[in-house]
Amino acid sequence: DTAVSQTPKYLVTQMGNDKSIKCEQNLGHDTMYWYKQDSKKFLKIMFSYNNKELIINETVPNRFSPKSPDKAHLNLHINSLELGDSAVYFCASSQDHSGATKNIQYFGAGTRLSVL
Amino acid sequence: KQEVTQIPAALSVPEGENLVLNCSFTDSAIYNLQWFRQDPGKGLTSLLLIQSSQREQTSGRLNASLDKSSGRSTLYIAASQPGDSATYLCAVEDDYKLSFGAGTTVTVRA
Repeated sequence: DTAVSQTPKYLVTQMGNDKSIKCEQNLGHDTMYWYKQDSKKFLKIMFSYNNKELIINETVPNRFSPKSPDKAHLNLHINSLELGDSAVYFCASSQDHSGATKNIQYFGAGTRLSVL
Repeated sequence: KQEVTQIPAALSVPEGENLVLNCSFTDSAIYNLQWFRQDPGKGLTSLLLIQSSQREQTSGRLNASLDKSSGRSTLYIAASQPGDSATYLCAVEDDYKLSFGAGTTVTVRA
């Protein structure tokens, strides 16, 4: 059983479209994250949620809207897609968001988004 | 703002040689430092986590050291194997989030 699963694995779409990426974790973790990995391979945090509550929003355009229906799911909806949104998006989860504990993050396999 | 740098960007070694990967970070007020492995088309796999109060962690052939005051960490991989070929990412946790370096891409030649 995959611990953190994302769908779809690949997403090819036209500029201006709206798309969603789904993420589910079966680890019983309280915290989930979305990261973006650009063409230069830098991974950057976008959002984190703890028990369905937004903890981090790293100056991401408001075209990106995370939705957490329950603590096992954190979906990413993107409106009016732009060429610069092309990247690999990773979902991750951890037991909690406290920096004082051994907070290992578990990552999904990524969703490669290509905007044409 | 935390900045994480990894040197070298790429490394190619013959099988059996030891690997040394370096990571530096600008803000020493971190909770922990983590090393990840990324294989093409796959997600990240956590290798080692060093808490801010620790100096090193070991797992099998992997050993990671942390010098928080100087903002440096080193990942050692002993007796490299072709299966060690991957990109290795260093990340520091502060302010409840991970900041990543760009990674070191390792190729181990059989």
